[in-house]
Amino acid sequence: GESVGLHLPTLSVQEGDNSIINCAYSNSASDYFIWYKQESGKGPQFIIDIRSNMDKRQGQRVTVLLNKTVKHLSLQIAATQPGDSAVYFCAENMSGATNKLIFGTGTLLAVQP
Amino acid sequence: KAGVTQTPRYLIKTRGQQVTLSCSPISGHRSVSWYQQTPGQGLQFLFEYFSETQRNKGNFPGRFSGRQFSNSRSEMNVSTLELGDSALYLCASSARTGTGELFFGEGSRLTVL
Repeated sequence: GESVGLHLPTLSVQEGDNSIINCAYSNSASDYFIWYKQESGKGPQFIIDIRSNMDKRQGQRVTVLLNKTVKHLSLQIAATQPGDSAVYFCAENMSGATNKLIFGTGTLLAVQP
Repeated sequence: KAGVTQTPRYLIKTRGQQVTLSCSPISGHRSVSWYQQTPGQGLQFLFEYFSETQRNKGNFPGRFSGRQFSNSRSEMNVSTLELGDSALYLCASSARTGTGELFFGEGSRLTVL
């Protein structure tokens, strides 16, 4: 039958504001949680990852928070810029022995100038 | 350092035909994974190869197959194409295992008519 397109949740922010993108994951046994950014016409680009034994990890302008109690992952982007406009995916790696990732549905971040 | 290269970038096939997609990983990366991206199903794991061995396989029919060569280059093949196989096929390579830091190519856009 005809497939229905995923309805991507959209987060619209003003340039310079902070953005918070949320994700619920499914497997409490996953070892790594990862955020990817995908711009139009390009493949996903790795942003940051966090191991399951951590709660917070910071990168350049980005922070990832992991709440294992409620299986929740978030990506915070400080001082959002127009170049941050993209679809953001969370992903989980369920095995330390492979690179098989399970991706979430994605969130479209739209930065308004 | 050159990124992940996928060929062809775009192709059109008809139902029943077969297709072969090629991926050249980043130099030194031995892990190569393939993902299918569609509006309806999002990003889905197809398979992963490491040192010419399939290390993991996703939930796709046997029409989808792949292989990896001794130089780490990989190919995937889809036989007896169906309309639902229309998708962006993404290849990713990695130097590490288990973390989720993958480097994606720009993908091969397959349209099945």
